[in-house]
Amino acid sequence: AQKITQTQPGMFVQEKEAVTLDCTYDTSDQSYGLFWYKQPSSGEMIFLIYQGSYDEQNATEGRYSLNFQKARKSANLVISASQLGDSAMYFCAMREGDAGGTSYGKLTFGQGTILTVHP
Amino acid sequence: DGGITQSPKYLFRKEGQNVTLSCEQNLNHDAMYWYRQDPGQGLRLIYYSQIVNDFQKGDIAEGYSVSREKKESFPLTVTSAQKNPTAFYLCATRQGARNTIYFGEGSWLTVV
Repeated sequence: AQKITQTQPGMFVQEKEAVTLDCTYDTSDQSYGLFWYKQPSSGEMIFLIYQGSYDEQNATEGRYSLNFQKARKSANLVISASQLGDSAMYFCAMREGDAGGTSYGKLTFGQGTILTVHP
Repeated sequence: DGGITQSPKYLFRKEGQNVTLSCEQNLNHDAMYWYRQDPGQGLRLIYYSQIVNDFQKGDIAEGYSVSREKKESFPLTVTSAQKNPTAFYLCATRQGARNTIYFGEGSWLTVV
């Protein structure tokens, strides 16, 4: 079974609009971490945002926020005020056993969503 | 400049040859990782190392080998036993209490 599911192969958004990229996950661990990465066409993976399973508040980093719904096992990325430079592939990833330093750090990735921002 | 440096950026390999991809970091991170990415796909873990002189197999280690003789360096060798080595290879390191994983810029390997 897929541990990380990104159901949107591609998304389109108008510049300055907000967009939500979906991610659902599957784990039996109580302690885990959820990550979003951006991969532009150059190939590098850029860390965007992190949410720990015990974090009570949804994570925010500038224009990025993570809509964490633990009971639904979803961790959607919200990008506000989209910019042309946001056009890229976006990956959701999970690290299980994320007990604040005890995990060896293995990330399981989803298939990714290609975001295209139109002017 | 601090960061994770991968080289070469592009590499072509003839069938039957071994090639080594370099990964160097000056972030003083303990843990290092190698991931493989196939076109349009997510990343899969090849090997990881939590400390010097220790490393463990990931999900797709067959046909690959690594060493960790220094904290700063974690080279990946793609051996001739790897039947489908054409892919994008990403090195990563782990930092901090939240174990955020940061990636290098990647290396493209093509078998010709």
